[in-house]
Amino acid sequence: GEDVEQSLFLSVREGDSSVINCTYTDSSSTYLYWYKQEPGAGLQLLTYIFSNMDMKQDQRLTVLLNKKDKHLSLRIADTQTGDSAIYFCAPLRGSYIPTFGRGTSLIVHP
Amino acid sequence: EAGVTQFPSHSVIEKGQTVTLRCDPISGHDNLYWYRRVMGKEIKFLLHFVKESKQDESGMPNNRFLAERTGGTYSTLKVQPAELEDSGVYFCASSQDAGANYGYTFGSGTRLTVV
Repeated sequence: GEDVEQSLFLSVREGDSSVINCTYTDSSSTYLYWYKQEPGAGLQLLTYIFSNMDMKQDQRLTVLLNKKDKHLSLRIADTQTGDSAIYFCAPLRGSYIPTFGRGTSLIVHP
Repeated sequence: EAGVTQFPSHSVIEKGQTVTLRCDPISGHDNLYWYRRVMGKEIKFLLHFVKESKQDESGMPNNRFLAERTGGTYSTLKVQPAELEDSGVYFCASSQDAGANYGYTFGSGTRLTVV
């Protein structure tokens, strides 16, 4: 299997919460990042969590980390149409290299 | 502060031709990374420079790919000769130190199409 796995698509209604899940294989990852890619644009760092944390909140974003299960999630509260994009979780491999999966396409409809 | 700049943004070449992609990292960032996303697949790590030295090139697909970083500033990624399976989006990223403490800044990518 792949080192980082995410569902390929998520569809939500505007105003609802979105939860994007990620599982990874490298238990030594110290930092775990979430990146967002809008159409035609590069990867934008959204938030990150350090491996000794269980949760991190940043405005509408909540990151949950279950290190035992190697599971990471990103919750977006009050999802807006402008949140439509591809979201990538990227745990750090070794000390220096973020490792990406295929990403989750979030589709927000009115 | 200017971000990571990549050019060209798009390139369409014929199989067998040569293409050179360029990445200008954020000024002062010693660490530079190349990634590639083939359609429908994951964003795959290619290699990592620290200044002008290749720190990790474990992701380079084969010897048709040559990456350089002269003087530790901008980097080029040359594909010669290009094959159809080289099509994809090539991303470059830079970071101030090893990256973990400061994050990684990505460019907008170069979309390469080999026909």
